[in-house]
Amino acid sequence: GENVEQHPSTLSVQEGDSAVIKCTYSDSASNYFPWYKQELGKRPQLIIDIRSNVGEKKDQRIAVTLNKTAKHFSLHITETQPEDSAVYFCAARGDTGNQFYFGTGTSLTVIP
Amino acid sequence: EAQVTQNPRYLITVTGKKLTVTCSQNMNHEYMSWYRQDPGLGLRQIYYSMNVEVTDKGDVPEGYKVSRKEKRNFPLILESPSPNQTSLYFCASSGDSEETQYFGPGTRLLVL
Repeated sequence: GENVEQHPSTLSVQEGDSAVIKCTYSDSASNYFPWYKQELGKRPQLIIDIRSNVGEKKDQRIAVTLNKTAKHFSLHITETQPEDSAVYFCAARGDTGNQFYFGTGTSLTVIP
Repeated sequence: EAQVTQNPRYLITVTGKKLTVTCSQNMNHEYMSWYRQDPGLGLRQIYYSMNVEVTDKGDVPEGYKVSRKEKRNFPLILESPSPNQTSLYFCASSGDSEETQYFGPGTRLLVL
């Protein structure tokens, strides 16, 4: 099956700086890549996603890039704010049905 | 209000005592999934369903059962729970496999 690796596991940035989280996947047939944010004690919530026919997608301060050849995708958060502090998970949908594989998460801390 | 609900939210049980965690969504979603979340391992998919009476194994199905007799409900059954099934469980639903997955609030299970 698919294997998704996520780095770094923890990340601290100063408020206003940018944060980048990277994920790699193993199955070239994977074609949908969502990113989730999970605040402490809360449920995961989708923040952005990208499909395999798109190289980059942006939503205000958040952007995701996808390199299908290298099989990696990244989350970019610009002008970070304290409320961006959370655990972020990348995921890849396998080539069949509704099977999703998640990365192990990145704990982002934005220091005021 | 569109939502995914799970019950119970917290459960302490003993090894071997059958239990069911319910999941219900009111968004008429076709797709539903169960995940478990463990520290350092991220979210791992247990089972998923793409429609009524259609279910399939995720990445970690051993020791679990599911059923999808109605579109809105997707219960998770542990017929003989073991301590290694102690975890935080999330149910999720989506309109299709490339739409936002909405997660339930989570069920924290402790098996003694």
